[in-house]
Amino acid sequence: LAKTTQPISMDSYEGQEVNITCSHNNIATNDYITWYQQFPSQGPRFIIQGYKTKVTNEVASLFIPADRKSSTLSLPRVSLSDTAVYYCLVGGSNSGYALNFGKGTSLLVTP
Amino acid sequence: DTAVSQTPKYLVTQMGNDKSIKCEQNLGHDTMYWYKQDSKKFLKIMFSYNNKELIINETVPNRFSPKSPDKAHLNLHINSLELGDSAVYFCASSQPRTSSGNTIYFGEGSWLTVV
Repeated sequence: LAKTTQPISMDSYEGQEVNITCSHNNIATNDYITWYQQFPSQGPRFIIQGYKTKVTNEVASLFIPADRKSSTLSLPRVSLSDTAVYYCLVGGSNSGYALNFGKGTSLLVTP
Repeated sequence: DTAVSQTPKYLVTQMGNDKSIKCEQNLGHDTMYWYKQDSKKFLKIMFSYNNKELIINETVPNRFSPKSPDKAHLNLHINSLELGDSAVYFCASSQPRTSSGNTIYFGEGSWLTVV
């Protein structure tokens, strides 16, 4: 399974763009990159998933360089309600679907 | 229209007791999981079932016994509860696909406190 490394914590002000980078140097060919968000007292929630280049949805964008050894979750104009823990997972059908979430990145958004 | 629901949400019990947490998903997924999130916030897989069959059993004491009566349900029974079992237990489900990875849907969690 591809091991992931992401910052333990990040701080941001409201209205700023936040970029959280995840390193996954040994990502396998068939692996997908998935990001989840967890609010206090709730279960993790799927945000976005990608394989290469750029993926965008109504919540975030995911940037994946050509070598796929890292990925960046981009949250545009964060609000206080974006304060949460963000997890990066890497896995696929051949390498085993990533199931352990680690500690994630704790994002604190302040006024 | 809850996708993954688990009960109870809160459970306080004494050491040595036996308790169960129930989980149901209405997403039609073949795979269900139990996760444990401890005080340090690590979210670790405990068990995974695919179509009622156990496929993942991580290093978990055998006091923990999952049961899947059908693919929409995965219950967790815990015998002889210990203080260290206090944690949040999350049920989850997914439909892994070769073409699109694995998106896991979580329940709201069950807060277990052993006193």
